[in-house]
Amino acid sequence: AQKVTQAQTEISVVEKEDVTLDCVYETRDTTYYLFWYKQPPSGELVFLIRRNSFDEQNEISGRYSWNFQKSTSSFNFTITASQVVDSAVYFCALSEATGANSKLTFGKGITLSVRP
Amino acid sequence: DAGITQSPRHKVTETGTPVTLRCHQTENHRYMYWYRQDPGHGLRLIHYSYGVKDTDKGEVSDGYSVSRSKTEDFLLTLESATSSQTSVYFCAISPSGRMNTGELFFGEGSRLTVL
Repeated sequence: AQKVTQAQTEISVVEKEDVTLDCVYETRDTTYYLFWYKQPPSGELVFLIRRNSFDEQNEISGRYSWNFQKSTSSFNFTITASQVVDSAVYFCALSEATGANSKLTFGKGITLSVRP
Repeated sequence: DAGITQSPRHKVTETGTPVTLRCHQTENHRYMYWYRQDPGHGLRLIHYSYGVKDTDKGEVSDGYSVSRSKTEDFLLTLESATSSQTSVYFCAISPSGRMNTGELFFGEGSRLTVL
């Protein structure tokens, strides 16, 4: 069965600090997809990134970067120069690519607080 | 905007009463999902649908039923609400043909309190 572990539950940083959110996953499949979602205080869930298991290139989007390492089954998310608007709950998620009805499994989320 | 609306957005009910939450989409997507969000548990899949009248269970389906008689509507029913079903419920759709190749778009959530 697939599983996503976000060991950090709450992180608090001061604005402009860099912060890394950890995600470790378990799956028996060789083909799978990894995701990060953001849930700001307003409550909506916002898609941030999707990565497939064959693409281990790190990705950077502005202040956000993602480090995918199959050797350690990790898909970590780094926010550089954090801002107050980054305060949110961040979810890592995994889906296996076998079968059209395979399911998206979420971690328990990390609450990030960025203080001014 | 993925064209997903959930209703009601907030509901308070009593233990033992039936409750139906509605998810409506405007884009004719095949896949629709119901998740619940609880502190310390993240998001957990309740049920999902892969077409009209085609539904399947997720990891926390006990106490819930679903129906999809039209492409655009996916209903979640609590036949007899319990306090453990107090939660925020999210509907989601997959804009791609297969849920695992695309991101999910979520509705705004429905907060249910069972007293």
